[in-house]
Amino acid sequence: QLQLQESGPGLVKPSETLSLSCTVSGGSISSSSSYWGWIRQPPGKGLEWIGTIYYGGSTYYDPSLKSRVTMSVDTSKNQFSLKLTSVTAADTAVYYCTRRHRVGSGIYYIDYWGQGTLVTVSS
Amino acid sequence: AIQMTQSPSSLSASVGDRVTITCRASQGIRNDLGWYQQKPGEAPKLLIYAVSNLQSGVPSRFSGSGSGTDFTLTISSLQPEDFATYYCLQDFNYPLTFGGGTKVEIK
Repeated sequence: QLQLQESGPGLVKPSETLSLSCTVSGGSISSSSSYWGWIRQPPGKGLEWIGTIYYGGSTYYDPSLKSRVTMSVDTSKNQFSLKLTSVTAADTAVYYCTRRHRVGSGIYYIDYWGQGTLVTVSS
Repeated sequence: AIQMTQSPSSLSASVGDRVTITCRASQGIRNDLGWYQQKPGEAPKLLIYAVSNLQSGVPSRFSGSGSGTDFTLTISSLQPEDFATYYCLQDFNYPLTFGGGTKVEIK
């Protein structure tokens, strides 16, 4: 059973960089059918897709965050990471790491989620 | 980006009711649509992928249908554990986009 676990600071100061990691257990981050990603949810609001990374390094980011987001993969640790620069209060949210699975040649779905970690941006 | 318009944003229903939630995409997304259930304080849970495929372990009272731009999630007989917020997600192209959510409350 695949498990994802987010880790990182729960409090970040405005204008600083938010850094989170996601540790994957029960499976390999180098799986050819898996894409890893981040989704966030501001308090009381809906879900927002941040981006996706493949173990080979290909990345896809939401255009509204693209200038501030970097995702990376560390296959030796079976982890992937998120960095979001120049944060403001609007970046306060629960951040989820996820797996997007590919079935066959063209069906994709996000099937595994971490438990989520609340990151608050405040001085 | 593809916009996903989900309706209603909330509904009140009783145990045993049939519930229908819809999502409309701003352009065709083939069958690249999933439905998620989220309970307070929990991560979303995949219910249905590729429009109508039930995820393993999900009760058969959940079903999905639709094609192109219009999609539906149906709960055939609402159970107490189904009171939650439901989201659709288009997985046709990047950026992936969610519907705004439907909160299903107890009448």
